[in-house]
Amino acid sequence: KAGVTQTPRYLIKTRGQQVTLSCSPISGHRSVSWYQQTPGQGLQFLFEYFSETQRNKGNFPGRFSGRQFSNSRSEMNVSTLELGDSALYLCASSLFGGQGGTDTQYFGPGTRLTVL
Amino acid sequence: EDQVTQSPEALRLQEGESSSLNCSYTVSGLRGLFWYRQDPGKGPEFLFTLYSAGEEKEKERLKATLTKKESFLHITAPKPEDSATYLCAVLDYGGSQGNLIFGKGTKLSVKP
Repeated sequence: KAGVTQTPRYLIKTRGQQVTLSCSPISGHRSVSWYQQTPGQGLQFLFEYFSETQRNKGNFPGRFSGRQFSNSRSEMNVSTLELGDSALYLCASSLFGGQGGTDTQYFGPGTRLTVL
Repeated sequence: EDQVTQSPEALRLQEGESSSLNCSYTVSGLRGLFWYRQDPGKGPEFLFTLYSAGEEKEKERLKATLTKKESFLHITAPKPEDSATYLCAVLDYGGSQGNLIFGKGTKLSVKP
């Protein structure tokens, strides 16, 4: 069965622009979570969506937003890009998310965003 | 401030030399603790979820345990393929919404 896919894999933008990243979860999974990973800060949780509703949210500014569609695919948007937004953006999908029993989260390969 | 601290930052072992990784946390409303493994250039691979103190889970050479303030990832007779960065994360419901807080990770190197 197909894993979590993320598009695009690599992206180069300039300061002030906005960007939209896409994540397609494993078929049947209803929870999608987004993370930012940088060498300095490590892995930081952005938000989780479950059945088109944001259920959990990390401590990121409002420039970072997301949404989930009825087919569970999710998009993440970053507006007014800053140099510090350069990072690996990961998404993970699971059946029920962090609240469910022995639910397993499967990560995608990530989108490498570079802001110049 | 809620935080998750992993130690050591890096660990070098000989093949077969067992050891433990530590994850200590200070959160107001723990709802679950997660362990992941991450190889360079790849997304994290889920290993375990622990929900309550005293809980233990095992997978091959790995065993995770949880107390009220920390979790341990025990690695028994490691092999070179166990080399990776191990991350722990805590799901905290102290605020109005849950927040998943990650530690900085422990980079494990196992030499043959």
